[in-house]
Amino acid sequence: DIQMTQSPSTLSASVGDRVTITCRASLTFSTWLAWYQQKPGKAPRLLIYKASSLASGVPSRFSGSGSGTEFTLTISSLQPDDFATYYCQQYHPYFRTWAFGQGTKVEIK
Amino acid sequence: QVQLVQSGAEVKKPGASVNVSCKASGYTFTSYAIHWVRQAPGQRPEWMGWINAGNGNTKYSQKFQGRVTITRDTSATIVYMELSSLRSEDTAVYYCARESGGDYYFDHWGQGTLATVSS
Repeated sequence: DIQMTQSPSTLSASVGDRVTITCRASLTFSTWLAWYQQKPGKAPRLLIYKASSLASGVPSRFSGSGSGTEFTLTISSLQPDDFATYYCQQYHPYFRTWAFGQGTKVEIK
Repeated sequence: QVQLVQSGAEVKKPGASVNVSCKASGYTFTSYAIHWVRQAPGQRPEWMGWINAGNGNTKYSQKFQGRVTITRDTSATIVYMELSSLRSEDTAVYYCARESGGDYYFDHWGQGTLATVSS
C-alpha cells in the first residue's frame, strides 16, 4: 500500500515568509501527485495537480515540484488567508488506489 | 458551475448502516468519476472508493471492501455511498469528490456530511 509522509507536521511562520512542505511516498511512481488546502470545517481545496500544475483560481504564490518519491509545495510569500492545513495526495497506478499524507498545519508565528 | 451537494448529518447506532447522497450539477454527470473520502476528527482524509458515473463500475479500498457500496442514479445525477456495520471508529465527515478527467486528482468536493456513530 502507498504510505505518504509529510514534513513538518506543524509549521509556524509569519506573513511574508517563504514556506516549503515536503511529501515523501514509500513507492516510486508517477507524478500523479496533488496538493490540497483545508480550513476548519471545510472540504479540501485543490491547489496543485500533476505535481506542478496550478489549479484554476489558485494564487501564483503557490507552486509545486518534485518527482519519484519526493515532492514539495512552496508558498513564496505567506498571506493571512494561507494559514490552514495542507495535504498531499497521490494515486498509485498498480493498486489503483489513492492516499493522502498526514497533513501539515501552517500556524501563525 | 460545478456543484456537489451532499445530504445532511446522520446519527447512527453501532451495527447500523448510513447512506449519504451527493447531488451533482453543472457538468455532464456521466463523464466523470465520483469518489468518496472520509475524514475522522483530527485525521488525514481517507479514500474509500469510487464509481464511474458513466458505466457504474466501482472500486473500493481494501479497508472498506464488503462494508461500502457506491451507486449512482444517472437520471437524477446523484451518487450514493452506503457504509454498513457501523462502529464508533466510523464517526467522520464523509465527502464526495469529482475526479478530474483521468488525471487522478479531485477538482471539486461536496460540503461534507458528518456521520456520528454512538450508542
